[in-house]
Amino acid sequence: GEDVEQSLFLSVREGDSSVINCTYTDSSSTYLYWYKQEPGAGLQLLTYIFSNMDMKQDQRLTVLLNKKDKHLSLRIADTQTGDSAIYFCAESPRSGGSYIPTFGRGTSLIVHP
Amino acid sequence: ETGVTQTPRHLVMGMTNKKSLKCEQHLGHNAMYWYKQSAKKPLELMFVYNFKEQTENNSVPSRFSPECPNSSHLFLHLHTLQPEDSALYLCASSQALTDLNTEAFFGQGTRLTVV
Repeated sequence: GEDVEQSLFLSVREGDSSVINCTYTDSSSTYLYWYKQEPGAGLQLLTYIFSNMDMKQDQRLTVLLNKKDKHLSLRIADTQTGDSAIYFCAESPRSGGSYIPTFGRGTSLIVHP
Repeated sequence: ETGVTQTPRHLVMGMTNKKSLKCEQHLGHNAMYWYKQSAKKPLELMFVYNFKEQTENNSVPSRFSPECPNSSHLFLHLHTLQPEDSALYLCASSQALTDLNTEAFFGQGTRLTVV
């Protein structure tokens, strides 16, 4: 199976909350990340969470981490049309002395009026 | 502006052509990466360089050949590609592979079409 799994699509109405879920496999990741990719662009870091935390809030974004189940989620409150993009979950498992970012397939968030 | 610049943005090449993709970063990072992004697939790690040394080659066919002349520049040389190699090729950099926090900075990608 894949190291990082995400559903491919999420459709929400403008003003609602969006919740994007992710499962990962490697418990050695010290940080877990959410990246955003807008059309025609590369990925940009949205937020990250340290593995000894279970929640992090940053304005409209809330990250929840369940380390036991290796489950990460990103909640976007009051979703706007400008939030339409692909969201990637990423882990950085330890391999030897290195930490290399490993990404999922990305979840396409579609926000409709 | 992400600090990582890729050229060209778009490339159409025939299966017998030879071309190169270029990536440049001036963030003072020591790790650089090539990823391949295809529709509905996970972002595939291709190559990793740390302090100019290649540390990862994820079973990438030899028709892709990376080069890292210094910590700021990364190339991907392409020859005799196949149509299934058409994808978005993303370059990224991070501080160093040994850092616990591997926040990656991405370029905008090169959209490659092999005809």
